[in-house]
Amino acid sequence: EAGVTQFPSHSVIEKGQTVTLRCDPISGHDNLYWYRRVMGKEIKFLLHFVKESKQDESGMPNNRFLAERTGGTYSTLKVQPAELEDSGVYFCASSPWTSGSYEQYFGPGTRLTVT
Amino acid sequence: RKEVEQDPGPFNVPEGATVAFNCTYSNSASQSFFWYRQDCRKEPKLLMSVYSSGNEDGRFTAQLNRASQYISLLIRDSKLSDSATYLCVVTADSWGKFQFGAGTQVVVTP
Repeated sequence: EAGVTQFPSHSVIEKGQTVTLRCDPISGHDNLYWYRRVMGKEIKFLLHFVKESKQDESGMPNNRFLAERTGGTYSTLKVQPAELEDSGVYFCASSPWTSGSYEQYFGPGTRLTVT
Repeated sequence: RKEVEQDPGPFNVPEGATVAFNCTYSNSASQSFFWYRQDCRKEPKLLMSVYSSGNEDGRFTAQLNRASQYISLLIRDSKLSDSATYLCVVTADSWGKFQFGAGTQVVVTP
């Protein structure tokens, strides 16, 4: 079974540009989460989809970040316009929630550098 | 105060030795608890879930103390491949939102 995949693995953009990150969850996983790790800090929650609906977006830093999950399959996270403080590693995770388990499976992450 | 706190280490452990470390959490309503391991520049990988009664998976033993709000991880007979950062993870709500500790680094030496 394929794991969570993310694209691109790395992205270097200039301040003010736009970047779109993509996440493909494990097939059949209704729950999709985005997290971010900035340098020297712990991994922080950004938002959670259940199928195509946003269940919780309380961790989104500001309105420059827009996440979508059309059709309840893959998700995109767009940053527009990017700022220097957006640099970090963006992880996506998915979970099936079978048997009441909240275990999440993470993708390899997208390392975003804003210069 | 951070929601999930861990000793950052590093814990330098001779191969074959035992190492143990804790993690404390602030939200008494937290429902689920996990240990993930993260290798350098890689994604977190699930090591084990932590259950109220404590649980063991091979050389790894996890304990949960709800009264004192901490979880622990013990690694027996450490292998070189156990060198990693161990992330303590707590769910913050009934939707599985993860709260991470900053991680405990373990370095197993020959």
